Amino acid sequence: AQSVSQHNHHVILSEAASLELGCNYSYGGTVNLFWYVQYPGQHLQLLLKYFSGDPLVKGIKGFEAEFIKSKFSFNLRKPSVQWSDTAEYFCAVVWGGYQKVTFGIGTKLQVIP
Amino acid sequence: DGGITQSPKYLFRKEGQNVTLSCEQNLNHDAMYWYRQDPGQGLRLIYYSQIVNDFQKGDIAEGYSVSREKKESFPLTVTSAQKNPTAFYLCASSIRHRGSGGELFFGEGSRLTVL
Repeated sequence: AQSVSQHNHHVILSEAASLELGCNYSYGGTVNLFWYVQYPGQHLQLLLKYFSGDPLVKGIKGFEAEFIKSKFSFNLRKPSVQWSDTAEYFCAVVWGGYQKVTFGIGTKLQVIP
Repeated sequence: DGGITQSPKYLFRKEGQNVTLSCEQNLNHDAMYWYRQDPGQGLRLIYYSQIVNDFQKGDIAEGYSVSREKKESFPLTVTSAQKNPTAFYLCASSIRHRGSGGELFFGEGSRLTVL
């Protein structure tokens, strides 16, 4: 079955530390890739997306992600985190351009001032 | 403002009762979704609909039912057959385009508690 794996379930970082959250998906072929973020008390919102083209995509608030097709990965990065980045981050995948969106289990990020 | 409205925000239900969660969108999106969010399990797809009068089961459809009679509305019924209905339910919508499928806009969620 198609699945999305997020390896880090709970990450604690100090402010200014660098962040990398892993995301891997099963099966190859054409994929659309997403990272969503859920800040405390807020609804889920799109952080960044990849449909095609440059495999390094930039999103809001200084986040970026790199699509590595050979590794079936789409890792999220940020060079220097802030306390306001404390949130839960979800990787999501659509296979074949269809509408079914499959999410990973999420990574809770806690940034300590 | 365009967006997705879910109601009620909080709902309590006795065991054996059916309950319907409302989801309305004014984004003119064709596709709509229902997810269930549980701690440590991420978002799991219950049902989704790409067009009016059509919907597909997701990964955990048992004990749930939906309808899509209007483009802007996609209500979810949690039936008494759902074994563990206490959860946070999220509705989402997206444009229906093969190349850009998956960019979802979410509502604020409905928290259902079964007493």
